Amino acid sequence: SAVISQKPSRDICQRGTSLTIQCQVDSQVTMMFWYRQQPGQSLTLIATANQGSEATYESGFVIDKFPISRPNLTFSTLTVSNMSPEDSSIYLCSGSGQGAQYFGPGTRLTVL
Amino acid sequence: EDKVVQSPLSLVVHEGDTVTLNCSYEVTNFRSLLWYKQEKKAPTFLFMLTSSGIEKKSGRLSSILDKKELFSILNITATQTGDSAIYLCAAQLDSNYQLIWGAGTKLIIKP
Repeated sequence: SAVISQKPSRDICQRGTSLTIQCQVDSQVTMMFWYRQQPGQSLTLIATANQGSEATYESGFVIDKFPISRPNLTFSTLTVSNMSPEDSSIYLCSGSGQGAQYFGPGTRLTVL
Repeated sequence: EDKVVQSPLSLVVHEGDTVTLNCSYEVTNFRSLLWYKQEKKAPTFLFMLTSSGIEKKSGRLSSILDKKELFSILNITATQTGDSAIYLCAAQLDSNYQLIWGAGTKLIIKP
């Protein structure tokens, strides 16, 4: 199974600022994804991170708000831009190789 | 519209009991069914089921998929307090490996 690390594990940010979350996998995976999980809810897919090209965003998520990079197979970043309290959530990256999808430990973001 | 439905939404049992969690799905372009355990932040992978009728086991946990009736079950025998968690199932799409998530079953094991 892939081991996925993510940082920071948590952060408290001020409204209007931006936070970049990093995700590293220890083996080459085919696909990398970014999710958000708001309190009491299931996971919502933000986007698929594509190596060397623009991410593929799901409905309701846009690049200006959630820019994503994936410069190589094993590393990706998600930026939460111009944050508001509604962005308070857990953000998770995941990697999929040979089908099974594994998750990083998550970043708990609180926006004041 | 693709959807995954889990039942029950919550379940409270006593330590030592056996529980069965249900997951039904309706997706186009189905590839596999995945089960996860979520305790704090990140979901922990349990099983991936691709073929019908083949049980997968890991200790006290087991799972099986029925692709004709479009459902899967997760069984936990001799439950322990450490089994308390939210159990999520997700249907994986063949086209892009994306997951369609169920709402989860919140399982509470009382000592």
